Amino acid sequence: DGGITQSPKYLFRKEGQNVTLSCEQNLNHDAMYWYRQDPGQGLRLIYYSQIVNDFQKGDIAEGYSVSREKKESFPLTVTSAQKNPTAFYLCASSFLGMNTEAFFGQGTRLTVV
Amino acid sequence: AQKITQTQPGMFVQEKEAVTLDCTYDTSDPSYGLFWYKQPSSGEMIFLIYQGSYDQQNATEGRYSLNFQKARKSANLVISASQLGDSAMYFCAMRDEFAGTASKLTFGTGTRLQVTL
Repeated sequence: DGGITQSPKYLFRKEGQNVTLSCEQNLNHDAMYWYRQDPGQGLRLIYYSQIVNDFQKGDIAEGYSVSREKKESFPLTVTSAQKNPTAFYLCASSFLGMNTEAFFGQGTRLTVV
Repeated sequence: AQKITQTQPGMFVQEKEAVTLDCTYDTSDPSYGLFWYKQPSSGEMIFLIYQGSYDQQNATEGRYSLNFQKARKSANLVISASQLGDSAMYFCAMRDEFAGTASKLTFGTGTRLQVTL
């Protein structure tokens, strides 16, 4: 089945540790995105990528890093520089173009203790 | 720059009634796309409906329709005949051609809809 897979679903880390969230898609989409969602709030864009080996900062990129070495994969690293990393992280992908909807993964809930 | 505003943090509607969720947007680009998503308590994001800036007619998908008023820069979602399963967060989102890319997708803060008996 085609779709987007995020793993793990729940992640616990100690403060000061870097952590990498996985996102894989088999929809042949060119664009991929990472969003952060805090309780009761909207989605804020962290990073997005339109093509392999290229990506752009979103609205809240500080303390995060990404890579896009393969079309199918767009991992997100939450670094120790991110001051408040506990949140729900959503990965999405889409074809390029104005009228293409984004498809989302199931999300990763990261808790830093 | 893109901006999406949803001014209703929460809404209640009785089952079988219609409800309108508000969305206003700001962009300087003439070409843009507007999307609505539903997020149930499970956290998944479900695409509902799309409206393009050049579309002459309001978009409809089953019980969902979009009241698109271009001059007012509003794209309100109308849900007809509400069902208990419609209880969820609803997000408005936009793409435009900002910075030469049609890829960036920006979301509003959402509206929590509760359907009551």
